[in-house]
Amino acid sequence: NAGVTQTPKFRVLKTGQSMTLLCAQDMNHEYMYWYRQDPGMGLRLIHYSVGEGTTAKGEVPDGYNVSRLKKQNFLLGLESAAPSQTSVYFCASSYQYRVNGNQPQHFGDGTRLSIL
Amino acid sequence: AQKITQTQPGMFVQEKEAVTLDCTYDTSDQSYGLFWYKQPSSGEMIFLIYQGSYDEQNATEGRYSLNFQKARKSANLVISASQLGDSAMYFCAMREGVNQAGTALIFGKGTTLSVSS
Repeated sequence: NAGVTQTPKFRVLKTGQSMTLLCAQDMNHEYMYWYRQDPGMGLRLIHYSVGEGTTAKGEVPDGYNVSRLKKQNFLLGLESAAPSQTSVYFCASSYQYRVNGNQPQHFGDGTRLSIL
Repeated sequence: AQKITQTQPGMFVQEKEAVTLDCTYDTSDQSYGLFWYKQPSSGEMIFLIYQGSYDEQNATEGRYSLNFQKARKSANLVISASQLGDSAMYFCAMREGVNQAGTALIFGKGTTLSVSS
């Protein structure tokens, strides 16, 4: 029962370096999301995708790029890492939205990223 | 203005007691969904319970129930018979709107629940 898998689980970067976080889901979900979690802030949406080849910005998209080339994968890229991007990153996926439907998002275990 | 407000940063309860975690929300949409997630110290996000805006009955899932008061815009989580394993951070979240852009969740800042023996 893999569900949503995030790699890597931990990473330390230097300011200015770039990296890609990988999210893979095996539940055939249409929708995928990237959130960041900071102390006292809850989770905030970075980018999301409602289908293969489509992406959209969330609440805090600056400094990040995403791609959804395959339905099961959603990649989050940091172009030039900054200390303000130190955070825990969560990927989530869900079925297509239905009005008043219960489509909970299923989360990966998170990636703890530190930018020095 | 915050869309999801959780006013209790921390709650303390003894085993076997019931506890209510507060959540109020702000939306002008008629169609929306409310979710509760649990985040233990290990960090994963665990879905607990869902309430749709058109649901007339309060949602229940085992020891979890959601006290949904639509007019007051509140969606409190009630945990009956607390267990030590319930110690965790709890997040209230909302999905609003009927279009694709409304599928993402808006989270509150969370409430830390500590259960003692």
